[in-house]
Amino acid sequence: SQTIHQWPATLVQPVGSPLSLECTVEGTSNPNLYWYRQAAGRGLQLLFYSVGIGQISSEVPQNLSASRPQDRQFILSSKKLLLSDSGFYLCAWSATRGGLAGSEQYFGPGTRLTVT
Amino acid sequence: AQKVTQAQTEISVVEKEDVTLDCVYETRDTTYYLFWYKQPPSGELVFLIRRNSFDEQNEISGRYSWNFQKSTSSFNFTITASQVVDSAVYFCALSEAETGGFKTIFGAGTRLFVKA
Repeated sequence: SQTIHQWPATLVQPVGSPLSLECTVEGTSNPNLYWYRQAAGRGLQLLFYSVGIGQISSEVPQNLSASRPQDRQFILSSKKLLLSDSGFYLCAWSATRGGLAGSEQYFGPGTRLTVT
Repeated sequence: AQKVTQAQTEISVVEKEDVTLDCVYETRDTTYYLFWYKQPPSGELVFLIRRNSFDEQNEISGRYSWNFQKSTSSFNFTITASQVVDSAVYFCALSEAETGGFKTIFGAGTRLFVKA
């Protein structure tokens, strides 16, 4: 069966510090990978998605970046965090069958980031 | 442009009551997909159902049922005989096949409280 891992679970970082959140998927090959941010009490905002190694598409211009160094690894980074980067970050994967639009997504446990 | 509206911000019911969560969507595409996800207090989103635009059959899974009506652009979710464990935030989501198929748009969510 497939599993998705995210770490760390919680993170408190000062403004201006760097960020690295990691997501890995097990039990599937060539998944589509996604990073979302959820502000407190709000819906999900798609940040990045990836259809393959080294292929990253950005949805929202910001000071965050994403990388996919391996097939089942997706990393969210920032060189300098802003207060507005606080939120709940969720990684998700979907199968490539049915195309990007038609596949349901499976989410990781999330990382709660507080920028102070 | 695609849009998902969940007009009910919060719903509170007593255990064993039936409850319907509303979802209205907007899309110009003829091929699209609708989803419902559950986010329990732990934070991890759980996939519940996927529906494509060509399949208007209602679906029932245990205490859960979904009513998809293209005529009113609605995809409502009913929980029968609610239980405390149903307390969560529920998200309706839409993904279009023809335009930016990768992008799943989530509604703002409906927070359901089920009291014992």
